[in-house]
Amino acid sequence: SQTIHQWPATLVQPVGSPLSLECTVEGTSNPNLYWYRQAAGRGLQLLFYSVGIGQISSEVPQNLSASRPQDRQFILSSKKLLLSDSGFYLCAWGPPLAADTQYFGPGTRLTVL
Amino acid sequence: RKEVEQDPGPFNVPEGATVAFNCTYSNSASQSFFWYRQDCRKEPKLLMSVYSSGNEDGRFTAQLNRASQYISLLIRDSKLSDSATYLCVVTPGAGSYQLTFGKGTKLSVIP
Repeated sequence: SQTIHQWPATLVQPVGSPLSLECTVEGTSNPNLYWYRQAAGRGLQLLFYSVGIGQISSEVPQNLSASRPQDRQFILSSKKLLLSDSGFYLCAWGPPLAADTQYFGPGTRLTVL
Repeated sequence: RKEVEQDPGPFNVPEGATVAFNCTYSNSASQSFFWYRQDCRKEPKLLMSVYSSGNEDGRFTAQLNRASQYISLLIRDSKLSDSATYLCVVTPGAGSYQLTFGKGTKLSVIP
């Protein structure tokens, strides 16, 4: 069966510090991968998605970036965090031919102080 | 108009009650529709897909009205374990990788 992992589970970072969140998927090949953010009082917002190694599509311009160095690894990064980057970051995976099927990881709760 | 709108609640209902959630979406070209459930401080999990013909899964019934761009979720015989936030989710169109989420409706089932 497929499993998705995210770490860290929680993170407290100062403004201006860098960020690296990691997501890995097991039990599937060539998955679609997604990064979402859920800010307090707001719905989930798609940040990036990837349909293959090295392929990244950005949905929202901001100071975040994503990379997919391996088939089942998806990384979310920032060089300098802003207060507004605080939120619940969720990675999701989906089968390669089913764009509307997505399964979420446990998430990383980020607080920027 | 927001892409996906839901009543934020909270809905506080006693055990055994029937509760209905509504959702409207703005993009008439939307192709796929879902209800997700999100427990407090946890990830969303797919509850059920929504089809024009309606679909039922145990105590849960989902309906889609494309003409009115309206989706509903009915929960019968509410359990304490049903307490969660219910998210209405829509895909913009064929081949789109973006799921558009509503902000969710919070349900609290009270003993």
